[in-house]
Amino acid sequence: DTEVTQTPKHLVMGMTNKKSLKCEQHMGHRAMYWYKQKAKKPPELMFVYSYEKLSINESVPSRFSPECPNSSLLNLHLHALQPEDSALYLCASIGRSDTQYFGPGTRLTVL
Amino acid sequence: SQQGEEDPQALSIQEGENATMNCSYKTSINNLQWYRQNSGRGLVHLILIRSNEREKHSGRLRVTLDTSKKSSSLLITASRAADTASYFCATEPFWDKVIFGPGTSLSVIP
Repeated sequence: DTEVTQTPKHLVMGMTNKKSLKCEQHMGHRAMYWYKQKAKKPPELMFVYSYEKLSINESVPSRFSPECPNSSLLNLHLHALQPEDSALYLCASIGRSDTQYFGPGTRLTVL
Repeated sequence: SQQGEEDPQALSIQEGENATMNCSYKTSINNLQWYRQNSGRGLVHLILIRSNEREKHSGRLRVTLDTSKKSSSLLITASRAADTASYFCATEPFWDKVIFGPGTSLSVIP
């Protein structure tokens, strides 16, 4: 099983809302990632959790708050987002083979 | 931050032709990976090549790596309309930090 799942597939939220994106993998991978991708641009690294600890934070605004409850789950909590935060949010994980597996993404629209 | 740079940014070819995309990067790496992304969807991993490897094949895909020039190429042979997608290289300049180049948009015309 090489699947990374993400929920929800689509999310529309207002600037005062609080919402969460969820990601799950059952491959026993050591690291999990959040990327943000705007149209016609490459994925932009946001956070990396290695062995359930936040190891990389690419200076992302505090309105994005990651959480790794266990080695299989990764959440991204969203609060007071701006319209420019509308994008495709991708989760990925990496294991012993060093191959990165991606989920299908959550399409986020901030009104 | 951006580590890899793909060339060309866009490529349009006829079905059956070969497509070559190049990636250059700035720092030393542990490995380099190539991905495909169909419009608005998640990324599909194609090939990983390690820093001590020079060439790798997978079906119609051939990847080369030249660490002295800090560059890699992806060759797709006998292209098909279904190969139409964006292709990205990604490098790991240090442990678990995987960052992407700007990508090449490939159009294969039937």
